[in-house]
Amino acid sequence: KAGVTQTPRYLIKTRGQQVTLSCSPISGHRSVSWYQQTPGQGLQFLFEYFSETQRNKGNFPGRFSGRQFSNSRSEMNVSTLELGDSALYLCASSLDPGGLNTEAFFGQGTRLTVV
Amino acid sequence: AQSVAQPEDQVNVAEGNPLTVKCTYSVSGNPYLFWYVQYPNRGLQFLLKYITGDNLVKGSYGFEAEFNKSQTSFHLKKPSALVSDSALYFCAVRDISGGSYIPTFGRGTSLIVHP
Repeated sequence: KAGVTQTPRYLIKTRGQQVTLSCSPISGHRSVSWYQQTPGQGLQFLFEYFSETQRNKGNFPGRFSGRQFSNSRSEMNVSTLELGDSALYLCASSLDPGGLNTEAFFGQGTRLTVV
Repeated sequence: AQSVAQPEDQVNVAEGNPLTVKCTYSVSGNPYLFWYVQYPNRGLQFLLKYITGDNLVKGSYGFEAEFNKSQTSFHLKKPSALVSDSALYFCAVRDISGGSYIPTFGRGTSLIVHP
C-alpha cells in the first residue's frame, strides 16, 4: 500500500512569501502530525490533527497553521516566511492520534529553503 | 516541562560488535518513549516504543531498548551491529499524564558502523 506522500519534495521561497505544504496519509489513517527539522533546533513538533480537528499544537508562532480535510489529507501553511523557516518539514500518519497505540509512518519530507 | 537528552552526538562501533545509543528523559508524569531512525534524505522510521509493561522492548531490525524508571533512561541496543545500521537515531518522549501528548525529541545521535 502507498506510504505517506508529501508534496512538493523541494521548495525555494523568498522572505515574506507564504507557502503551503501537503501531506497525504496512508489510506485509512485519520491522524496526521507535522514536524520541523533544522540543524539548529533539531526535530520539533508543529501540530497534530485527527479527524479534521487539531488536537495538539507545538510552540510555534501563529504564522504556522494547518488543517485537515475530510479525506484526512493535511496541509500546513507558513505565512510571511523568514530565513529561519528553512527546514525539512515532515509529516506522519497513524491510525490513532499521534500513533501512541499503533505505529506512525513518516513521509520523506519537504525541504523548504527561504532566500 | 519534559525533555530528552542524547548525550552522544556520534557513536562509532565495529560491525559485529554490540551497540548502545543512550537516551535519558525528564517528565513530570508517566512517559511514552520512542526510538526512530533517519537515513540520509529520508523521513523518520519508527523502531520501537515503551508504553507500559515489560521494561525490555523489542523492535524492528533487531533493535531493543530497556526502560529504566529509576535512572530515567531508555537506551537503544543491538547485539550485533551492521554497516547498514549507520544512520541518525532519535529518542522521543511524550508525557501522558498531562493529556496533550506533545512529543519532545532528543538532538539525535549519529551511529557509524565500521566494516
